[in-house]
Amino acid sequence: DVKVTQSSRYLVKRTGEKVFLECVQDMDHENMFWYRQDPGLGLRLIYFSYDVKMKEKGDIPEGYSVSREKKERFSLILESASTNQTSMYLCASHGPVEQFFGPGTRLTVL
Amino acid sequence: GENVEQHPSTLSVQEGDSAVIKCTYSDSASNYFPWYKQELGKRPQLIIDIRSNVGEKKDQRIAVTLNKTAKHFSLHITETQPEDSAVYFCAARKSSGAGSYQLTFGKGTKLSVIP
Repeated sequence: DVKVTQSSRYLVKRTGEKVFLECVQDMDHENMFWYRQDPGLGLRLIYFSYDVKMKEKGDIPEGYSVSREKKERFSLILESASTNQTSMYLCASHGPVEQFFGPGTRLTVL
Repeated sequence: GENVEQHPSTLSVQEGDSAVIKCTYSDSASNYFPWYKQELGKRPQLIIDIRSNVGEKKDQRIAVTLNKTAKHFSLHITETQPEDSAVYFCAARKSSGAGSYQLTFGKGTKLSVIP
C-alpha cells in the first residue's frame, strides 16, 4: 500500500518567515509533485521532480523552491512567506500506473 | 502545454439519479485520463482511469468515456448515493520523455447528492 506522508497537517506562519513543507513516499517512485489547491482554481502544479536532484517548474513556481536530495523525500520551500501563499498544499508521488496524493498541509500565513 | 477544461463546476442531483461530468483537453498527444475523487478534508484518490486505446471503461456504478477525435472525456455515475458527494477532478497525461508522468488537472466539479 503506497504511502505518501506530509510533515504537517496544519501550519501557521508569519509573513516573511521561511517555511519548509516536507513530503515522503515509501514506494521508490521517481516522480514527485507539489500542488497548491485553492477553491475554484483546482490543483495547480508548483514544481515537480523526476529524479534525485532534478527539478522542473510547474505552472506557478514564483515564490517557491524545492529540494530533492533523496528519492523518497521532496521538500517545498517558501523563502519568504506571504499572505497570498495561504493555501492547501498537496504532495504527490507517481508510479508506473497511478499518482498518489499526500494528506495535504493547510498553511496559513498571517 | 496541455489545457484541461472541466464542466460543470457544481452539480446537484437527487439520490438515485445519474451524474455526468465532462472534460476537454487540448493536446492530442495525451493518452491517459484519470479521474480523482476528493471527499471533504481528505486527499484526492483515483477512482477510475482510461487510456486512449479504449473508448469506454466501467467499474460498478461509475464509467468513463473517451472521444479522441473530439478530445473530450466524461465521467458517468449512475444510481448516485449520498457518499458520492465530493469534488471530482479529471486529468490528462502524455507518456513519453522526462517528466512524462505530469498530470494536468481540470478545476474540479463539486457534486452534491441530495437524499
